[in-house]
Amino acid sequence: GENVEQHPSTLSVQEGDSAVIKCTYSDSASNYFPWYKQELGKRPQLIIDIRSNVGEKKDQRIAVTLNKTAKHFSLHITETQPEDSAVYFCAAPQRGSNYKLTFGKGTLLTVNP
Amino acid sequence: NAGVMQNPRHLVRRRGQEARLRCSPMKGHSHVYWYRQLPEEGLKFMVYLQKENIIDESGMPKERFSAEFPKEGPSILRIQQVVRGDSAAYFCASSTGGGDQPQHFGDGTRLSIL
Repeated sequence: GENVEQHPSTLSVQEGDSAVIKCTYSDSASNYFPWYKQELGKRPQLIIDIRSNVGEKKDQRIAVTLNKTAKHFSLHITETQPEDSAVYFCAAPQRGSNYKLTFGKGTLLTVNP
Repeated sequence: NAGVMQNPRHLVRRRGQEARLRCSPMKGHSHVYWYRQLPEEGLKFMVYLQKENIIDESGMPKERFSAEFPKEGPSILRIQQVVRGDSAAYFCASSTGGGDQPQHFGDGTRLSIL
């Protein structure tokens, strides 16, 4: 099946700095890559996703880049704020399926005021 | 527009009892997915259903676990004869279609086995 590796597992930044989280995947046929934000005790919230026909997508302070050749995609958060603190998960479809998502183990982002 | 609704939010069961978890998808969504999350872990796919059909249950244990999504009413994840290892957060997600349609999650049910 699909293997999704996510790094780093923890990330601490100062308010206003940028944060970058990277994920690699194994199935070259994967074509959809969502990112979720999960605050403690709450639901995973879809914050941005990208499909394989584009290399970058932006939504205000959040961007995702995709490198299909290298099979990795990254989440970029600029001008971080304390409310960005949460666990972030990347995901990719499992081999042979475009609905069965494999999630990374998550990155705990802490934004210090 | 209500999101994905799951209940109960917390469920405590003793070993050997049955647990029933409910999920109502977002309005207009007919595809439901169940995931399991252990502490400090990512979500693990369990089962994918459409109305009255189980499309893919490859992530669900063959014994004690079952899922349904009837024509009327919520999707149900049922765990019979629960064991301590079943303790986890169970999340339901829904989408408008299969494939690369965004999956939106509910608040989850936290199952604790005594």
